[in-house]
Amino acid sequence: QKEVEQNSGPLSVPEGAIASLNCTYSDRGSQSFFWYRQYSGKSPELIMSIYSNGDKEDGRFTAQLNKASQYVSLLIRDSQPSDSATYLCAVRARQLTFGSGTQLTVLP
Amino acid sequence: NAGVTQTPKFQVLKTGQSMTLQCAQDMNHNSMYWYRQDPGMGLRLIYYSASEGTTDKGEVPNGYNVSRLNKREFSLRLESAAPSQTSVYFCASRKESVGENTIYFGEGSWLTVV
Repeated sequence: QKEVEQNSGPLSVPEGAIASLNCTYSDRGSQSFFWYRQYSGKSPELIMSIYSNGDKEDGRFTAQLNKASQYVSLLIRDSQPSDSATYLCAVRARQLTFGSGTQLTVLP
Repeated sequence: NAGVTQTPKFQVLKTGQSMTLQCAQDMNHNSMYWYRQDPGMGLRLIYYSASEGTTDKGEVPNGYNVSRLNKREFSLRLESAAPSQTSVYFCASRKESVGENTIYFGEGSWLTVV
């Protein structure tokens, strides 16, 4: 089992819709959880971090964490074509471990 | 403020050649990292350095060596390049302090081994 698994893509949503990205992790000692966005040919950039159970909202982005289920998700409301990218889930236990990413395409 | 700077951006090597990827950060961060990214594999940690003078293996260290020259610089060396080392390499740094958990990435180095 991979330490961090993301829902397989690619994922396509129409402009204005909600995009839902999911991630599960195996290490129950994980304390910090992150979502990175990576445009093609570019480096990852941090868009959300979450440390406690529940929801955390930042503009159109909402991160949700459920430590009991070892599950973290990212919701993107009112999706825009500029949100088209690969989204990487990352989980920190002893080190930061990344999932393989989910490619999101927002269709105009 | 340049952040994390890595060089070269692109490199083609022949099998068996050696090379060093350079990385420097100007944010006074303690921790530095080298990742590789392959299609469908996400980012995998090669080596990291929690502070000047210390280095530790990550998930995929075989075929690589690192040097933490000083607090700013962390280099990655391929002693005898192999086609399996064709990848995109990212250097990153992180400030180890309470409440500061953000990793900052360099722009990446595209390495092809033929």
